[in-house]
Amino acid sequence: EEQLVESGGGLIQPGESLRLACAVTGFSVNSFYLSWVRQASGKGLEWVSVIYSGVRTSYADSVKGRFTISRDTSKNILFLQMNSLRVEDTAIYYCARVLDSFYHMDVWGKGTTVIVSS
Amino acid sequence: DIQMTQSPSSLPASVGDSVTITCRTSQSISNYLNWYQQKPGKAPKLLIYGASSLQSGVPSRFSGSGSGTDFTLTISSLHPEDFAVYYCQQTYSGPAFGGGTKVEIK
Repeated sequence: EEQLVESGGGLIQPGESLRLACAVTGFSVNSFYLSWVRQASGKGLEWVSVIYSGVRTSYADSVKGRFTISRDTSKNILFLQMNSLRVEDTAIYYCARVLDSFYHMDVWGKGTTVIVSS
Repeated sequence: DIQMTQSPSSLPASVGDSVTITCRTSQSISNYLNWYQQKPGKAPKLLIYGASSLQSGVPSRFSGSGSGTDFTLTISSLHPEDFAVYYCQQTYSGPAFGGGTKVEIK
């Protein structure tokens, strides 16, 4: 069964860094596009980043230059390195598998919560 | 950037009703439009991809249509488990989600 499990969330101060992980089982991180999506409390979904084949990546303007998406194929894990965190980055962060026909997200993790507060 | 307008933001309905949610984009996205359902405290769930293709395992009462700039999600006969928030997502250019529609009990 394909499964995504996020970890690494927590309470952190503005300006600090955090790395989220998404452990993948049931398929290879090397075989699919993978994405991060976040959701602030009571708000809608916001796409954050995607990693395509190879090392090609893309980011939302709101995180460009601060966040980095990557994957460890030996451990089958997706990462999101988040630097210079802001209060407005507070959200639940979901990882999701992306299919390359219509770039739709067919498998999602349960999410990990990031709270940026002083 | 492609602007997305999802409406209505709230949709009171009763079990058995047929409901329609609309998603409009500021420029043509062909059929790069997906629909998701999200229940409280849960991750989103894919319902429809490519504007009209039903994801495996999703009940046939869900259907999607449209192309270009105007799209709809229709639930033909609401079941109790369908009360949730629904999001459209365009993936033509820099993936983005609509603002969401909360289907709630009338």
